[in-house]
Amino acid sequence: TQLLEQSPQFLSIQEGENLTVYCNSSSVFSSLQWYRQEPGEGPVLLVTVVTGGEVKKLKRLTFQFGDARKDSSLHITAAQPGDTGLYLCAGRGSGTYKYIFGTGTRLKVLA
Amino acid sequence: SAVISQKPSRDICQRGTSLTIQCQVDSQVTMMFWYRQQPGQSLTLIATANQGSEATYESGFVIDKFPISRPNLTFSTLTVSNMSPEDSSIYLCSVEGSGAAGEQYFGPGTRLTVT
Repeated sequence: TQLLEQSPQFLSIQEGENLTVYCNSSSVFSSLQWYRQEPGEGPVLLVTVVTGGEVKKLKRLTFQFGDARKDSSLHITAAQPGDTGLYLCAGRGSGTYKYIFGTGTRLKVLA
Repeated sequence: SAVISQKPSRDICQRGTSLTIQCQVDSQVTMMFWYRQQPGQSLTLIATANQGSEATYESGFVIDKFPISRPNLTFSTLTVSNMSPEDSSIYLCSVEGSGAAGEQYFGPGTRLTVT
């Protein structure tokens, strides 16, 4: 069974601080996505990475896919209260259409 | 991207009853997915619904408990049958985008509370 472990599980930081969220697995994924979910809403796709070692930037968010395509990280620079939410990684293995979702990281950015 | 709506947005139901959740997409899609998100938890795939065929259920989920319909390429329903308090969750439908990496787009979810 493929599992995606995220760390940390909870994170509460002050506005302006930097943070990194990790998504780890023992399985290889053909693609990996990051989502953010706010209360009362469905997850919203932030980024998809498909190539080992790939780095993508979305404003203050930097996403990296591990060289072996087993792990990923999300780094937020100068966090803002609007970054508050549940961050989820989701990986898809080769030959399947299904995504496995990570355990989630709940981020709270205090003003 | 796809725009997805769900009805109802939330409901409070008594144990033993059933609730049908509707999912409408603004474009034709091949596969639709139903997820459950228990309070404070991540997403767990319930089943995959293809138009014109029976849904494919994940381990731990059965058709008698979660019957699914997929009458056309823009619509699906999930029924939560014979509900118990353990069924209290957010139920989400999603579709796969047209990109090569298979991005998923989610509806806003249905928050179900069973008393």
